[in-house]
Amino acid sequence: AQSVTQLGSHVSVSEGALVLLRCNYSSSVPPYLFWYVQYPNQGLQLLLKYTSAATLVKGINGFEAEFKKSETSFHLTKPSAHMSDAAEYFCAVSDSSASKIIFGSGTRLSIRP
Amino acid sequence: NAGVTQTPKFRVLKTGQSMTLLCAQDMNHEYMYWYRQDPGMGLRLIHYSVGEGTTAKGEVPDGYNVSRLKKQNFLLGLESAAPSQTSVYFCASSSGTGAFFGQGTRLTVV
Repeated sequence: AQSVTQLGSHVSVSEGALVLLRCNYSSSVPPYLFWYVQYPNQGLQLLLKYTSAATLVKGINGFEAEFKKSETSFHLTKPSAHMSDAAEYFCAVSDSSASKIIFGSGTRLSIRP
Repeated sequence: NAGVTQTPKFRVLKTGQSMTLLCAQDMNHEYMYWYRQDPGMGLRLIHYSVGEGTTAKGEVPDGYNVSRLKKQNFLLGLESAAPSQTSVYFCASSSGTGAFFGQGTRLTVV
């Protein structure tokens, strides 16, 4: 069975600081991995995805994530936080057929002025 | 291009009532999903479909039924609503490399 664990339900950083949101996955087969962002009262938007190509994946809004098989991790980073990055972020995993997508419990990102 | 459209956006039900949530996608995606979102629990998969005429159980299927009679539509049914089903429900569709989500349906069961 596949699962993801997001460490930290709430992360707060200062504007301009590094953003690091942690995600660890469990999968018995090579996984597809995703990060989604959700702004208040909206649906989820795909930030980036790993589908077994390059291990460093670049997404929208300056975010990137690195797939580390040895650590079963797929952490999301952004070098410099912006106020508009405040949202909830979800890590998700599926198998290569993408027939079932399982989400983590989410991390709420707050940005301090 | 509408993407994924959910109907209705809001609904209040009395305990024991039934209802159907409709999801429609215009991207010709094979895969469709229904999730519920509750505070602190992320999104939990209720049921999903890998193609027209097929459905499968997800993580929390009890109390829900689904149907995928047409490729573009995925219906979620509550036969006898319970307060524990108060949630925000999201539909999504995918071609296999990332899902597109609807705007959600906020359901309250009183």
